[in-house]
Amino acid sequence: DTEVTQTPKHLVMGMTNKKSLKCEQHMGHRAMYWYKQKAKKPPELMFVYSYEKLSINESVPSRFSPECPNSSLLNLHLHALQPEDSALYLCASSQDRVGGEETQYFGPGTRLLVL
Amino acid sequence: AQTVTQSQPEMSVQEAETVTLSCTYDTSESDYYLFWYKQPPSRQMILVIRQEAYKQQNATENRFSVNFQKAAKSFSLKISDSQLGDAAMYFCAYSRGATNKLIFGTGTLLAVQP
Repeated sequence: DTEVTQTPKHLVMGMTNKKSLKCEQHMGHRAMYWYKQKAKKPPELMFVYSYEKLSINESVPSRFSPECPNSSLLNLHLHALQPEDSALYLCASSQDRVGGEETQYFGPGTRLLVL
Repeated sequence: AQTVTQSQPEMSVQEAETVTLSCTYDTSESDYYLFWYKQPPSRQMILVIRQEAYKQQNATENRFSVNFQKAAKSFSLKISDSQLGDAAMYFCAYSRGATNKLIFGTGTLLAVQP
């Protein structure tokens, strides 16, 4: 089973709101990723967690705050976002196994609109 | 820095025909992985096929196959017997593996005509 789930599917928020995106996988993967994707563009990496520790932060503004409560869950906390943050947010996971080919499996995404 | 280039922003194919999507990449590494992902309008990024650089044999998955030319740094995707459900944005991607970031090309939007 190569399923990654994301909630909510759609989210509309004001610039003063605080909201969270949730991602879950039950494939036993130990690496999880957040990507941001604008319309008709490829995904851009935001964060990588490996074994529940943040391993890569692609210089993302602090209004985005990731959290990995356990190996199956990944959250993205949003606060004081700007309209330009409106995008599709994709979560992915991979095995993170030494010598592994590390295929990333993606969730369906959360479509975020910031008003 | 590694880069991935997809030179065909849009392509069209008739149902049941064959189409080839192009991808080139630039890297100084010898070990890496290459992927084709499909993103239909439903927006979920779906793995189509992957290739390990150390393998000379081209990967195949049912109607999907790749032509991997390591020396030329080329990784094209061939879709045989195209179906309406193949219509999507196709992204070529490169990775060094093990939590390394996926580097995506700009994508090719494939239309399938009935």
